[in-house]
Amino acid sequence: GAVVSQHPSWVICKSGTSVKIECRSLDFQATTMFWYRQFPKQSLMLMATSNEGSKATYEQGVEKDKFLINHASLTLSTLTVTSAHPEDSSFYICGGMGETQYFGPGTRLLVL
Amino acid sequence: DAKTTQPTSMDCAEGRAANLPCNHSTISGNEYVYWYRQIHSQGPQYIIHGLKNNETNEMASLIITEDRKSSTLILPHATLRDTAVYYCIVRRGAAGNKLTFGGGTRVLVKP
Repeated sequence: GAVVSQHPSWVICKSGTSVKIECRSLDFQATTMFWYRQFPKQSLMLMATSNEGSKATYEQGVEKDKFLINHASLTLSTLTVTSAHPEDSSFYICGGMGETQYFGPGTRLLVL
Repeated sequence: DAKTTQPTSMDCAEGRAANLPCNHSTISGNEYVYWYRQIHSQGPQYIIHGLKNNETNEMASLIITEDRKSSTLILPHATLRDTAVYYCIVRRGAAGNKLTFGGGTRVLVKP
């Protein structure tokens, strides 16, 4: 299957700082990318859908000003968690739309 | 997208076939059945998908009932590395449509 990478794989930050997570499709072009969040022992929850060159579409209850998504190229999407707080600590996973949806390995964020 | 129902958990023996059921009784004609799995602390891995015909690839087989209201994912020879949460998802066929994850089935392969 197609390969999606994420960077960093884990990050620890102080409350109030911003954190950027990169998602790259390595061997295919992803016009559409998805960002998910997963809390311990729970399923994946879709946060937003981004299309290359346009604004992201956020799911209900997800603050667009807090979770900034940029999809500037067909192989790169970024998620920036602004002014992170401990409740933002979670496992963030991106998915790129190729023949089907392929997922990155995830980024574990811990906000102290 | 149609809702799916899966058992919460199941055990299977290493080397034996694992049969994972999924109910999607409200599926509509243009919706596909997708299966993904998530090994602990990793991103989901695509397994297989189908519309109405049975499908097979190097990982698994997908059997869809004639009325399309249920399906079964078959792992032909389960190994310890197949221990994961398996998600059955129904999604409209148009490219770019999102996947909605339910609770999945937690599969434990035992020696």
